[in-house]
Amino acid sequence: DVKVTQSSRYLVKRTGEKVFLECVQDMDHENMFWYRQDPGLGLRLIYFSYDVKMKEKGDIPEGYSVSREKKERFSLILESASTNQTSMYLCASSYAGASTDTQYFGPGTRLTVL
Amino acid sequence: AQSVAQPEDQVNVAEGNPLTVKCTYSVSGNPYLFWYVQYPNRGLQFLLKYITGDNLVKGSYGFEAEFNKSQTSFHLKKPSALVSDSALYFCAVRSIWGKLQFGAGTQVVVTP
Repeated sequence: DVKVTQSSRYLVKRTGEKVFLECVQDMDHENMFWYRQDPGLGLRLIYFSYDVKMKEKGDIPEGYSVSREKKERFSLILESASTNQTSMYLCASSYAGASTDTQYFGPGTRLTVL
Repeated sequence: AQSVAQPEDQVNVAEGNPLTVKCTYSVSGNPYLFWYVQYPNRGLQFLLKYITGDNLVKGSYGFEAEFNKSQTSFHLKKPSALVSDSALYFCAVRSIWGKLQFGAGTQVVVTP
């Protein structure tokens, strides 16, 4: 079974803090993704990576950065957390290739910024 | 640009009755379409996908989806709903680099 794990299920931070969310997958997937989920908006892509040290902006990258130093690990960084970044954050991974790139998701991190 | 629409925020169904969750799509080229389910306080679980071939796709937990090119739809169906099917369902379409464009989600409530 594919396993995607995220470092925390729940996180509470203060405005202005630097926040790190970590995601690890054990299936040797090339692609990794960070989404945020908000009610009524579905999932929106923040950043994705198709290889080590490679990253591409998604639909809502402002206020976020990412790091992928190893193939299995993809980190999301909130440089200076703000209250409008309170959300559920979901990590996903997949193989590359149109017929094989089903995304598999981690359990999510519910972040609250006070 | 690729997009999907889920026209219903919530679907209510009695246990044992058929369940349908609607999804329509807009893509250039051939669509790759997905359904995911999210149980409370959990990540998304893959249910099924359409890439090519048979228009009726069978997936996990007794779900299936029908691809209709002329109506640009990909509705999720289950012949007999269970209370445990109560969850949030997302339709998605594949974009370049394997990115997914998700719909807003449909909450399914199955009552005993």
